[in-house]
Amino acid sequence: GENVEQHPSTLSVQEGDSAVIKCTYSDSASNYFPWYKQELGKGPQLIIDIRSNVGEKKDQRIAVTLNKTAKHFSLHITETQPEDSAVYFCAASKVNDYKLSFGAGTTVTVRA
Amino acid sequence: NAGVMQNPRHLVRRRGQEARLRCSPMKGHSHVYWYRQLPEEGLKFMVYLQKENIIDESGMPKERFSAEFPKEGPSILRIQQVVRGDSAAYFCASSPQSGDYGYTFGSGTRLTVV
Repeated sequence: GENVEQHPSTLSVQEGDSAVIKCTYSDSASNYFPWYKQELGKGPQLIIDIRSNVGEKKDQRIAVTLNKTAKHFSLHITETQPEDSAVYFCAASKVNDYKLSFGAGTTVTVRA
Repeated sequence: NAGVMQNPRHLVRRRGQEARLRCSPMKGHSHVYWYRQLPEEGLKFMVYLQKENIIDESGMPKERFSAEFPKEGPSILRIQQVVRGDSAAYFCASSPQSGDYGYTFGSGTRLTVV
């Protein structure tokens, strides 16, 4: 099955700096890559996703890039704010497959 | 428009007891998915259900775990004879149709087995 690896496991950044989280996947048939943000005591919330027919997608301060050849994708958060502190998960899925394979998560701490 | 509702939020069970976790999908959503999150790990798929049907339970342990989504009422994840290793956060998600990537997760049930 699909194996998703996520790095780093923890990330501490100064407020205003950028944060980058990287994921790799094993199944070349995967074509949908969402990112979830999980705040303490809450469920994962979808923040951005990308499909394999595009290489980059941006939504305000967050962006995701995808390299299908290398089978890796990344989340970029610019101008970080304290409310960006959370655990971020990447995931991968195949077309018409309802199962998401998640990475182990990255705990992001934004220092004021 | 209420989101995915899970209850209880926290559940403590002694070893050997039964745990029942409930999930009410978003209004209009007829597809329910259960995921388990062990400490310091990502979410792992357990089971996918539609009303009165189990579509895929490939992620469920073969013993002690069962799930249902009756015609009326919430989806239930049932764990019999719980053991310490069952301690985890259990998340339910729903979508309006199969293969739809619009997952909405609930806030989860945190099960602690003592």
